[in-house]
Amino acid sequence: ETGVTQTPRHLVMGMTNKKSLKCEQHLGHNAMYWYKQSAKKPLELMFVYNFKEQTENNSVPSRFSPECPNSSHLFLHLHTLQPEDSALYLCASSQEVAGNTGELFFGEGSRLTVL
Amino acid sequence: GNSVTQMEGPVTLSEEAFLTINCTYTATGYPSLFWYVQYPGEGLQLLLKATKADDKGSNKGFEATYRKETTSFHLEKGSVQVSDSAVYFCALIKVDTGRRALTFGSGTRLQVQP
Repeated sequence: ETGVTQTPRHLVMGMTNKKSLKCEQHLGHNAMYWYKQSAKKPLELMFVYNFKEQTENNSVPSRFSPECPNSSHLFLHLHTLQPEDSALYLCASSQEVAGNTGELFFGEGSRLTVL
Repeated sequence: GNSVTQMEGPVTLSEEAFLTINCTYTATGYPSLFWYVQYPGEGLQLLLKATKADDKGSNKGFEATYRKETTSFHLEKGSVQVSDSAVYFCALIKVDTGRRALTFGSGTRLQVQP
């Protein structure tokens, strides 16, 4: 139990569907992240939020839309995805303090399959 | 930009064998270095870290030493167990750029056989 909870754990969707991934952290952290993990590829940073403000968008296609309503919750809204978007989507959080070495705490991930 | 290179897996060992997983990095300045582990069906967990040159991180029998002269952070364990079977990720972060999101290597799968 890392203190970061992701739902759903598994999701199958068609290319025309709209779905959302949810992440909640119970650690009191002020930064949250979305990573994409595909087979045989390095983890890809998608989005970073600090204090609910998006501070990084790593050239992610607009069919992925993040939302961070507060520092404990992070969503990833999915719309008209492609089969190559099938992957494990990992949420993480950290506490941003001057001098912090940036340790991230990860959720267990949401396994997405796009048909 | 920053990058991390790990040896390709899978690495297959017998129980009680010695483990080394190589990791080298490219970054300007002085990054902090990490090893994360991902057990089957789970997210990533921090295994150990080192924040400056010559630091040694250690946890659960694993060790890694921050070698600035060779830009390396190799992971070692003297005697692996079946329960160590997992994917291991080397990562770095550059604190002084203000960007705190980690740069990960591609991961190395370790399979330990009884």
